[in-house]
Amino acid sequence: EPEVTQTPSHQVTQMGQEVILRCVPISNHLYFYWYRQILGQKVEFLVSFYNNEISEKSEIFDDQFSVERPDGSNFTLKIRSTKLEDSAMYFCASSRSEISTDTQYFGPGTRLTVL
Amino acid sequence: GDSVTQMEGPVTLSEEAFLTINCTYTATGYPSLFWYVQYPGEGLQLLLKATKADDKGSNKGFEATYRKETTSFHLEKGSVQVSDSAVYFCALSEAGRRALTFGSGTRLQVQP
Repeated sequence: EPEVTQTPSHQVTQMGQEVILRCVPISNHLYFYWYRQILGQKVEFLVSFYNNEISEKSEIFDDQFSVERPDGSNFTLKIRSTKLEDSAMYFCASSRSEISTDTQYFGPGTRLTVL
Repeated sequence: GDSVTQMEGPVTLSEEAFLTINCTYTATGYPSLFWYVQYPGEGLQLLLKATKADDKGSNKGFEATYRKETTSFHLEKGSVQVSDSAVYFCALSEAGRRALTFGSGTRLQVQP
């Protein structure tokens, strides 16, 4: 069964450094998402992406964040200058169609630790 | 804004016991409702969903009914197994939007 993959599984970085989290969505899916979960808190929506542009974003997704689909398979989340509070598990997801209730398939997550 | 409230965990049950995990929501309009499950070391997987009032979602013996009058979407299973041990997340999406709003998750531990 196809699945969403994410790399790396764990990323450690110094405050102020740039990080890029990578995701490979399911191959015939059209919508892509990033969510994050700070330890002990709820899973929070960051952004959705369709047809090479952002379709929705939350208040969390400020100018420090950007997303890109650099080729036909990868979907990336970049944090330009990491802060301690960016430490979290980041989940990528994808869904197949334009139907808003279509199932979102999640990857296993990347744990980001900012020191 | 929208929000989802789940019962605190962990919930510890013996095998074959009946499971209920409560979920209530606050939303404008008519959201779609979801239950996701996360097994150790894995991503969130959709367990079931309901897109309108009185719909019942079901999968793998789990059920939940969209109750608009009580703004609830409680998860139930008649007989749990050890393999059901996981974290369960209730979530909603507003009509026409894709962003999921999650509850805090409820850890279920099933003992043999």
